[in-house]
Amino acid sequence: RKEVEQDPGPFNVPEGATVAFNCTYSNSASQSFFWYRQDCRKEPKLLMSVYSSGNEDGRFTAQLNRASQYISLLIRDSKLSDSATYLCVVNIRNTDKLIFGTGTRLQVFP
Amino acid sequence: GAVVSQHPSWVICKSGTSVKIECRSLDFQATTMFWYRQFPKKSLMLMATSNEGSKATYEQGVEKDKFLINHASLTLSTLTVTSAHPEDSSFYICSASLGVLVKNIQYFGAGTRLSVL
Repeated sequence: RKEVEQDPGPFNVPEGATVAFNCTYSNSASQSFFWYRQDCRKEPKLLMSVYSSGNEDGRFTAQLNRASQYISLLIRDSKLSDSATYLCVVNIRNTDKLIFGTGTRLQVFP
Repeated sequence: GAVVSQHPSWVICKSGTSVKIECRSLDFQATTMFWYRQFPKKSLMLMATSNEGSKATYEQGVEKDKFLINHASLTLSTLTVTSAHPEDSSFYICSASLGVLVKNIQYFGAGTRLSVL
């Protein structure tokens, strides 16, 4: 079983739609959680950290459920520029390693 | 945000040659740097963790004699792919961390696309 699992998609949505991505992790020693965005043939870029209380950054909302070992990302009012692969990333306690999911591909169409 | 520079961005080489990739943190001192590789449509896989002034820690299955890592200063780490073969063709990405005290955030270089003929 992969340490971080995501639905690979692709999710094809029209502009303005709301889309949600899910992610599960298997290591109970995971302590920090992130969503990264990766455009084709580019490096990953940090989108946002994820906290148990839930956090929002503009059109993006991230949620963490430690009991279920589940992370989500909600994108509201999708833009064409949101088209990318979204990577769920986990950090293991007492290390500075990041474990990446395979990513969920989002394609927003006009 | 912090900037990490990776060079070269793309390299094509003949089988059997060695290729060196540089990773520099431009506006901060990176206590730890990481090297990843990514195959098409796959996730980033950590190859090794490099700490300034000490030997790199390699992940299981990564040959340390094949992928030589040197972290001579707080702003520079290098990855050398020795005697490259076509199966080494991949996207190699480095990242730099300010350490566990700074929320474990890593800043990524733009990546190096290696094609071995």
